[in-house]
Amino acid sequence: DADVTQTPRNRITKTGKRIMLECSQTKGHDRMYWYRQDPGLGLRLIYYSFDVKDINKGEISDGYSVSRQAQAKFSLSLESAIPNQTALYFCATSDLRQGYGYTFGSGTRLTVV
Amino acid sequence: QQQVKQSPQSLIVQKGGISIINCAYENTAFDYFPWYQQFPGKGPALLIAIRPDVSEKKEGRFTISFNKSAKQFSLHIMDSQPGDSATYFCAASSNSGYSTLTFGKGTMLLVSP
Repeated sequence: DADVTQTPRNRITKTGKRIMLECSQTKGHDRMYWYRQDPGLGLRLIYYSFDVKDINKGEISDGYSVSRQAQAKFSLSLESAIPNQTALYFCATSDLRQGYGYTFGSGTRLTVV
Repeated sequence: QQQVKQSPQSLIVQKGGISIINCAYENTAFDYFPWYQQFPGKGPALLIAIRPDVSEKKEGRFTISFNKSAKQFSLHIMDSQPGDSATYFCAASSNSGYSTLTFGKGTMLLVSP
């Protein structure tokens, strides 16, 4: 099994719908992140959490919300999806006790029509 | 304001050649500079990283060169192979990893056979 698992891998949804992307990890890392990848724009941080009781907005949090249900689970919600939220979404984890590198999931490709 | 500027956006190199990707940053508080490699359908994976107390770090065919005064760092891939064809992201963070990573926009590398 992958260290960082994202579900679903692909999703098509309609404008205005609420959708949740889920992320779970088996690495025991305390930090979790949600990034969005768009062609030519790189990876942009949406939200991050340094522990279960800590939630922080990133660079592009408008239109998104998150929930850290447990150390191993971090979900991203789009309250009312719009077409410009069509993108590739990545969850990542890290732990300073194990170095500064991030471990990424395989991504969720979201299309809003 | 883009804090990490990456160039070129795309790069084609012949097999056996040297691939060079450059990044520049503005925030002098940055003290950790990793490079990530991403293959299609996969999440980015940590390739190599450097801290500003050294000017160069080499791991196999991959080398990071760091110029603190110019606020620039670069990735060199020696003897480039078709299997190196991927998207490469530079990134930076501050406070010895206690802050989040800021990514460049990425470089699509194609190594022709």
